[in-house]
Amino acid sequence: DGGITQSPKYLFRKEGQNVTLSCEQNLNHDAMYWYRQDPGQGLRLIYYSQIVNDFQKGDIAEGYSVSREKKESFPLTVTSAQKNPTAFYLCASKLGGNEQFFGPGTRLTVL
Amino acid sequence: QKEVEQNSGPLSVPEGAIASLNCTYSDRGSQSFFWYRQYSGKSPELIMSIYSNGDKEDGRFTAQLNKASQYVSLLIRDSQPSDSATYLCAVPFDGYSTLTFGKGTMLLVSP
Repeated sequence: DGGITQSPKYLFRKEGQNVTLSCEQNLNHDAMYWYRQDPGQGLRLIYYSQIVNDFQKGDIAEGYSVSREKKESFPLTVTSAQKNPTAFYLCASKLGGNEQFFGPGTRLTVL
Repeated sequence: QKEVEQNSGPLSVPEGAIASLNCTYSDRGSQSFFWYRQYSGKSPELIMSIYSNGDKEDGRFTAQLNKASQYVSLLIRDSQPSDSATYLCAVPFDGYSTLTFGKGTMLLVSP
């Protein structure tokens, strides 16, 4: 089955801890994206990557880091510098046009 | 400035009625527009895309675009309780590599 997978589905983080969210796609899509969604809010772009070994900051990149070593994978690290990381994190990808397709999401909670 | 505006709702309609969801955007140069449906606790799902002025129909869904007024709408005919969700409008800015999302309109369809 082709698609986008995210893991874990739920993640709990202690104060001061870095955590990494996984995003994998087997759609052969070139571009991948990370968004954050807070309750009652739209999606805000954290980082995106249009090709391997290259990525750009989105609107709210502070406290986050990414890598794109493989076309299929775009992991997001939420660092201790992110002061309010509790949110729903969504990964998306697209091939050539503008239509983005989303993975199932990871819900991160800070304890 | 990248802005996509939607009424937050909730928009309440009875089963079988037509639901009308509206979206305005700030960039007069935008050329493509997307509607996503997001059920509570789930990730967004692309349901409609529109690129030209006028109407585009897909089953019970019709997207309407008026570029001169910078306005795009989504009509849902014969609304069903299963249509109850938040509908997100998305517009590409910055050379079309990213999407800017509105905060979404919650639709409630009562039996």
